[in-house]
Amino acid sequence: EADIYQTPRYLVIGTGKKITLECSQTMGHDKMYWYQQDPGMELHLIHYSYGVNSTEKGDLSSESTVSRIRTEHFPLTLESARPSHTSQYLCASSKIPQGEYETQYFGPGTRLLVL
Amino acid sequence: GDSVTQMEGPVTLSEEAFLTINCTYTATGYPSLFWYVQYPGEGLQLLLKATKADDKGSNKGFEATYRKETTSFHLEKGSVQVSDSAVYFCALSDYGGSQGNLIFGKGTKLSVKP
Repeated sequence: EADIYQTPRYLVIGTGKKITLECSQTMGHDKMYWYQQDPGMELHLIHYSYGVNSTEKGDLSSESTVSRIRTEHFPLTLESARPSHTSQYLCASSKIPQGEYETQYFGPGTRLLVL
Repeated sequence: GDSVTQMEGPVTLSEEAFLTINCTYTATGYPSLFWYVQYPGEGLQLLLKATKADDKGSNKGFEATYRKETTSFHLEKGSVQVSDSAVYFCALSDYGGSQGNLIFGKGTKLSVKP
């Protein structure tokens, strides 16, 4: 069983508010990810990190920002939430593999609704 | 660039029916291939994987074979159960084309009726 946690699970917030979505893992994984999942289920990689002080932008441009000060923690911040940010956000982590593939472990997700 | 194409859903089956979800890929290198499953209200979890041509991944009665000649990784199960109702994602990882990140298909929603 994967040990990766996300809080809050659900968040309803007004336009213009600053929000931080939390993600923590206890597996000692170096690599962590944030995905945005639209209502049609499609997953979009928005941020990833190879380790402490590393952050990279993913395939989908996002107004959110991330930080990686500790290995186990990878929070995502929206400085000013808008209705277009309404979505499900999934956090994941993996070991940096020795071989050619990496198994990602996912958290349960945060459902965000911006009014 | 790398991409994954899987059959669109939703797919609705009766219990004990045979399941096939088609998945094909395009990759610049020699990718590893995965099936992930997302149950309602949860994150994704790895269902099975294959790392080279002709490998067969299997788990919980599901199987998929890495076919390099047809660039496919179709998911099959001989007899589905109501508890298999979920969204299934095909994915690839290719260090040549995706920095080792996963490239996901759009997902196929499966509903199994009793």
